[in-house]
Amino acid sequence: QVQLQESGPGPVKPSETLSLTCTVSGGSISSYYWSWIRQPPGKGLEWIGYIYYSGSTNYNPSLNSRVTISVDTSKNQFSLKLTSVTAADTAMYYCARMVKIGDTGHSFDYWGQGTLVTVSS
Amino acid sequence: SYELTQPPSVSVSPGQTASITCSGDKLGGKYACWYQQKPGQSPVVVIYQDKKRPSGIPERFSGSNSGNTATLTISGTQAMDEADYYCQTWDNSTAVFGGGTRLTVL
Repeated sequence: QVQLQESGPGPVKPSETLSLTCTVSGGSISSYYWSWIRQPPGKGLEWIGYIYYSGSTNYNPSLNSRVTISVDTSKNQFSLKLTSVTAADTAMYYCARMVKIGDTGHSFDYWGQGTLVTVSS
Repeated sequence: SYELTQPPSVSVSPGQTASITCSGDKLGGKYACWYQQKPGQSPVVVIYQDKKRPSGIPERFSGSNSGNTATLTISGTQAMDEADYYCQTWDNSTAVFGGGTRLTVL
């Protein structure tokens, strides 16, 4: 059973960089796509971006200029960096495995439990 | 940017059929999937590629997608189905989620 676990340093101050890591266990990170999705408190889901195990990435245009997703296959981990954060970036951040099918058939089949990141001075 | 529209809330009596809609321009020409999220939990995919059920998802969950609307149908709704439901598709290589529908079983 694939399991994902988010980890990060905790609260972030405005204008700083949010950094999170997702550790994949119970399966290899290879041959799959891996994604970050966030959910502000009491609100809906927002896709941040995905990375293939080979390193190719695709980001949400609304966050593209501030987002970097990277992968470390030796550690079975992938990571998120979001720069210049504001209070609007306060959210539960989930990592998820993405199954890619055709052009629009992709879905997120395994999710981490999520980690709440608060942006506050 | 592409948008998916869901009703904020749907109510259903136990044992009855609940239908949750998701509207988007020419959505029927794309694949849709549905996620269930219970309070304090991570989302779980209940329908993918319009109508396929992952293993472990009860048969009472079904999906359809045509024209501008995708629909999640829950037959014989149970109290445990009370949750938020999100539709999702892809447009120009960008994942798009609907705003979510709170299903109340009362």
